[in-house]
Amino acid sequence: SQTIHQWPATLVQPVGSPLSLECTVEGTSNPNLYWYRQAAGRGLQLLFYSVGIGQISSEVPQNLSASRPQDRQFILSSKKLLLSDSGFYLCAWASMGNDQPQHFGDGTRLSIL
Amino acid sequence: DAKTTQPPSMDCAEGRAANLPCNHSTISGNEYVYWYRQIHSQGPQYIIHGLKNNETNEMASLIITEDRKSSTLILPHATLRDTAVYYCIAVNSGYSTLTFGKGTMLLVSP
Repeated sequence: SQTIHQWPATLVQPVGSPLSLECTVEGTSNPNLYWYRQAAGRGLQLLFYSVGIGQISSEVPQNLSASRPQDRQFILSSKKLLLSDSGFYLCAWASMGNDQPQHFGDGTRLSIL
Repeated sequence: DAKTTQPPSMDCAEGRAANLPCNHSTISGNEYVYWYRQIHSQGPQYIIHGLKNNETNEMASLIITEDRKSSTLILPHATLRDTAVYYCIAVNSGYSTLTFGKGTMLLVSP
């Protein structure tokens, strides 16, 4: 069966520090991968998605970036965190093709001080 | 993607059926109706989806009206662990991204 792992589960970082969140998927090949952010009391906001290695589409311009160095690995990064980057970050995967549901990881709760 | 409208909250007694409504009056012919739920501090969990026909799986049933302007998610025997925010989403089959609104907070009580 397929599984998705995100780490760390929680993270506290100072303003201006760098960020690296990692997501890996097991049990499937060539998945579509997604990064979402959920601010407190709000719905999900899509940040990035990828349909293949090295291919990244950005939905919202900001100081975050994403990379996909391997088929089942998706990384969210920042060189300098802002206070507004606080939130709940979720990674998701889906099989290729239409009509395929997305499956989410357990998320990383990021607090910027 | 079509906008969906859900009640902000609902209550249900444990063991009873929970019927969660969703309006999607502007849904287009190739948009699927997806349901997810999110328990506090966890990632969203996929429940079920459909296009035209009613669907059933081990978690729930999805009833879509004939005109496809609304749907109902049915949890046949709600348990306390079903307490969560439930999201109804209309997704174009040509796209692969999700936009979650505020959903319905379902509280299952003993």
